Amino acid sequence: AIRMTQSPSSFSASTGDRVTITCRASQFISSYLAWYQQKPGKAPNLLIYAASTLQSGVPSRFSGSGSGTDFSLTISCLQSEDFATYYCQQYYTYPLTFGGGTKVEIK
Amino acid sequence: EVQLVESGGGLVQPGGSLRLSCAASGFTFSSYEMNWVRQAPGEGLEWVSYISTSGSTIYYADSVKGRFTISRDNAKNSLFLQMNSLRAEDAAVYYCARHSATVTTFDSWGQGTLVTVSS
Repeated sequence: AIRMTQSPSSFSASTGDRVTITCRASQFISSYLAWYQQKPGKAPNLLIYAASTLQSGVPSRFSGSGSGTDFSLTISCLQSEDFATYYCQQYYTYPLTFGGGTKVEIK
Repeated sequence: EVQLVESGGGLVQPGGSLRLSCAASGFTFSSYEMNWVRQAPGEGLEWVSYISTSGSTIYYADSVKGRFTISRDNAKNSLFLQMNSLRAEDAAVYYCARHSATVTTFDSWGQGTLVTVSS
């Protein structure tokens, strides 16, 4: 199975900050990479697919980049509602696999 | 509005069985591939199983292969997960998740149903 490694696992930031989360695949996955946001007690919400395509309704402050094995999610200006846990997911092949998650906390 | 509502979770002893259901509405269920994804308490997300629109293609995570069975009833807009030989490590919130129409990502999720495995 393809292993997805996210870093950092957690960090603190302030509203207005620009933050970047990275995700590395254990093998080539082209651009078959999605990002999800999950808030406590809620189901995940799809933010980005195809590494950089914003899901409908997702604010433009979210952006994704990368291909091959290295990817990143950037939030250009952190808002209060963005404090959550973020997961990457590869869909290059089955079994579908997720990264371990990155928790973004308020500083 | 797309809605996915899971049910069937609960407390079960190790070695026991449960059948989860997911009722879909607000979209043409028979046109979408479906999945189960789980999340153990305080842990990350783990994909469990996939089923194609007709049910002819099915995949499982190695961790559940041979113990879990995914199925669907397109006439009743329902997805199922039969879970047998349950282990402590199967304890989790189980989410029903719809594949996007164009890519293998999960564009809609249910609220989840909690499965607890304990004696």
